[in-house]
Amino acid sequence: GNSVTQMEGPVTLSEEAFLTINCTYTATGYPSLFWYVQYPGEGLQLLLKATKADDKGSNKGFEATYRKETTSFHLEKGSVQVSDSAVYFCALFTGNQFYFGTGTSLTVIP
Amino acid sequence: GAVVSQHPSRVICKSGTSVKIECRSLDFQATTMFWYRQFPKQSLMLMATSNEGSKATYEQGVEKDKFLINHASLTLSTLTVTSAHPEDSSFYICSAIELAGGGKNIQYFGAGTRLSVL
Repeated sequence: GNSVTQMEGPVTLSEEAFLTINCTYTATGYPSLFWYVQYPGEGLQLLLKATKADDKGSNKGFEATYRKETTSFHLEKGSVQVSDSAVYFCALFTGNQFYFGTGTSLTVIP
Repeated sequence: GAVVSQHPSRVICKSGTSVKIECRSLDFQATTMFWYRQFPKQSLMLMATSNEGSKATYEQGVEKDKFLINHASLTLSTLTVTSAHPEDSSFYICSAIELAGGGKNIQYFGAGTRLSVL
């Protein structure tokens, strides 16, 4: 079956620290992979996506590379800011349905 | 960019009443919309897929008579929680699919509706 596993939080970092949130998946076929972000009190927003192996999605300083050999799509950012505090969801889309991870809460302290 | 509007953002109701949640795509036509439910500290759970002009497709375990979905137009889908009970209290999120170029679809999410049933 299809599923997404992402690292449990919460994650607390100091401003300008390096961020990695791990995400691995199991899927049949060739899904598209996504990272969504949910800021406090808001809905989900698409952060970045990759539609095929070796694609790198990037946005707002965040990056993730679609690694088929390790079935991973880890989210990284070189220098986090307080405004990055949010919950991050890894997801895969099979073409018919989305599967989400459980979310990782990130708090960045000044 | 594309925006999905969900209303209301928060609703408190008495047990036994029905609540309607609206999901609108504001600047694109969405033939497909999804309804999700988010439990605390858990992932989003897909409840149903809403297709314009046809019956919704419900996921296993979701009561179709309790969660009525109507996709009346290309820009509006509604979820009605009928005879709500405290266990229905949750965060409900809708999303809409925009057909992007190259055959790739983009999903946009509403802000969510927090339902509290007393």
